[in-house]
Amino acid sequence: NAGVTQTPKFQVLKTGQSMTLQCAQDMNHEYMSWYRQDPGMGLRLIHYSVGAGITDQGEVPNGYNVSRSTTEDFPLRLLSAAPSQTSVYFCASSPGTSTYNEQFFGPGTRLTVL
Amino acid sequence: DQQVKQNSPSLSVQEGRISILNCDYTNSMFDYFLWYKKYPAEGPTFLISISSIKDKNEDGRFTVFLNKSAKHLSLHIVPSQPGDSAVYFCAASVRNNAGNMLTFGGGTRLMVKP
Repeated sequence: NAGVTQTPKFQVLKTGQSMTLQCAQDMNHEYMSWYRQDPGMGLRLIHYSVGAGITDQGEVPNGYNVSRSTTEDFPLRLLSAAPSQTSVYFCASSPGTSTYNEQFFGPGTRLTVL
Repeated sequence: DQQVKQNSPSLSVQEGRISILNCDYTNSMFDYFLWYKKYPAEGPTFLISISSIKDKNEDGRFTVFLNKSAKHLSLHIVPSQPGDSAVYFCAASVRNNAGNMLTFGGGTRLMVKP
């Protein structure tokens, strides 16, 4: 199993550009989520999905869109990048939606918006 | 306002000694707490957790203590090893929340010196 994979590892964007951060998992996990990590702020939840076709907002959803057409994939879209979106983005998955299910994180995507 | 706080951004400990990482929370609805460990250029990995019905949980060298009245938890690592050098995140959740949503602290960087 590859676990949770994320592409790209690094990305530099100009303000106003759009892009999609890819996330895939091969563990047949129901639950997937996106977090951003900023210095001193820990990880903050952007969006999450409890199954294919179902998504919901987390703590900091503005400026981001998600969709979940398959169990395996959960892409994160930045529609019009802003410098405030400079961050490290982590995708995570877990076998169920209960808190007791361990979340497995991908290696992260480091995004810089100029 | 951060609901989970790790007030020490860094901690340095000698190999073989005890490392104590602290975490405070404000939301009295939190009833499940986790510690994640993160190495550079990798995603966080689950370390240990504790339910609010317990005040201690132990796993090998790692022990988590929960003081509900003080809204405080701590992670003890005994004995500390150089391989424990990483960033440690405290996280909290409300059990049975539909989205498996975790609220993270800002992290503490632990450095274990040989």
